[in-house]
Amino acid sequence: DVKVTQSSRYLVKRTGEKVFLECVQDMDHENMFWYRQDPGLGLRLIYFSYDVKMKEKGDIPEGYSVSREKKERFSLILESASTNQTSMYLCASSPPAGGTQYFGPGTRLTVL
Amino acid sequence: GEDVEQSLFLSVREGDSSVINCTYTDSSSTYLYWYKQEPGAGLQLLTYIFSNMDMKQDQRLTVLLNKKDKHLSLRIADTQTGDSAIYFCAERGDSTLTFGKGTMLLVSP
Repeated sequence: DVKVTQSSRYLVKRTGEKVFLECVQDMDHENMFWYRQDPGLGLRLIYFSYDVKMKEKGDIPEGYSVSREKKERFSLILESASTNQTSMYLCASSPPAGGTQYFGPGTRLTVL
Repeated sequence: GEDVEQSLFLSVREGDSSVINCTYTDSSSTYLYWYKQEPGAGLQLLTYIFSNMDMKQDQRLTVLLNKKDKHLSLRIADTQTGDSAIYFCAERGDSTLTFGKGTMLLVSP
């Protein structure tokens, strides 16, 4: 079974802090994704990566950056957290060419 | 651009069938997916259908695809309280999936 893990289930941070969300997959997938999920807005793609050190902006990249130094790990970085980044963050991975995506359990981030 | 639309809410009684509908816009989509999200959890892949198929059945789940109308549906037979969740429809593009906003299914005893 594909396993995607995220470093924290719940996280509380203060405005202005730098925040790292980590995601690890064990299926040797090329593609990895970061989404945020908000009530009434569904899932919105922040960034994705199709290879090590490669990244592509999604629909809402502003205020976020990403890092992919190893194939199995994809990090989402909030350089200076703001209250409007309070959300559920979901990581996913997939084989190449847009195959089925497999999701982690999510990190609920609260920024005070 | 690509867009996926779903109704937001469906309420059924235990034992009834549930039908969740979805429309999409990208006629070149090769695969269409249904995911389930239970409260506080990530998305779990339920099933998918290849675009050259009309129907796919998997135990209590039946997926119907009308490619002409770009309409996808998920039927859950004998719906149980454990089926209460949010269901997302998604279409596959070049490298990414486009998701609908999700349909909340509430199953009452």
